[in-house]
Amino acid sequence: GAVVSQHPSRVICKSGTSVKIECRSLDFQATTMFWYRQFPKQSLMLMATSNEGSKATYEQGVEKDKFLINHASLTLSTLTVTSAHPEDSSFYICSARSSNFNEQYFGPGTRLTVT
Amino acid sequence: AQSVTQPDIHITVSEGASLELRCNYSYGATPYLFWYVQSPGQGLQLLLKYFSGDTLVQGIKGFEAEFKRSQSSFNLRKPSVHWSDAAEYFCAVGGRTDKLIFGTGTRLQVFP
Repeated sequence: GAVVSQHPSRVICKSGTSVKIECRSLDFQATTMFWYRQFPKQSLMLMATSNEGSKATYEQGVEKDKFLINHASLTLSTLTVTSAHPEDSSFYICSARSSNFNEQYFGPGTRLTVT
Repeated sequence: AQSVTQPDIHITVSEGASLELRCNYSYGATPYLFWYVQSPGQGLQLLLKYFSGDTLVQGIKGFEAEFKRSQSSFNLRKPSVHWSDAAEYFCAVGGRTDKLIFGTGTRLQVFP
């Protein structure tokens, strides 16, 4: 149980375009979802926390207008990278937590490459 | 300040040898502690967690960790490493409903 999926697993987009990444909890209701960014050979950096039905809380230094997060249902959160630039290229990982769990379950990650 | 320190960036061991990965944390409240493993290009897999109770916790793949409150440590151990254990290991701390704070990771390399 407690499976989290992400789609797509890899995406290449051109500079200036927008790309959407989906995070789904497959077998539980995720009251809270988290979005992380990971640069090569580095740790995970929390970008934002989203609770179902409310606005996401962004970490300091993360541009909320650039990284749009929507958590419209208890099983789906989306991260949209708007007007992507090459420096947005990274590995994006989501995680989900339900009110019954004390731990986060992580998705497999999405590799974004902006050309 | 809340933080996690993994002092070893890179560790190399021989297959069959024992392993200990260090983790120290700073957290203002009762800590919930986790160890995750990440293979290249993959997400994170939970190895084990500590919330309360017995300070020696058993996890998957033969890993265990010991919570030492006096040392603010949560070191990960395995008595005999397998080549498939080569990966990146992350220690994390959080509260029951708080966000997780990750360490910088330790890359484990295993030689045959």
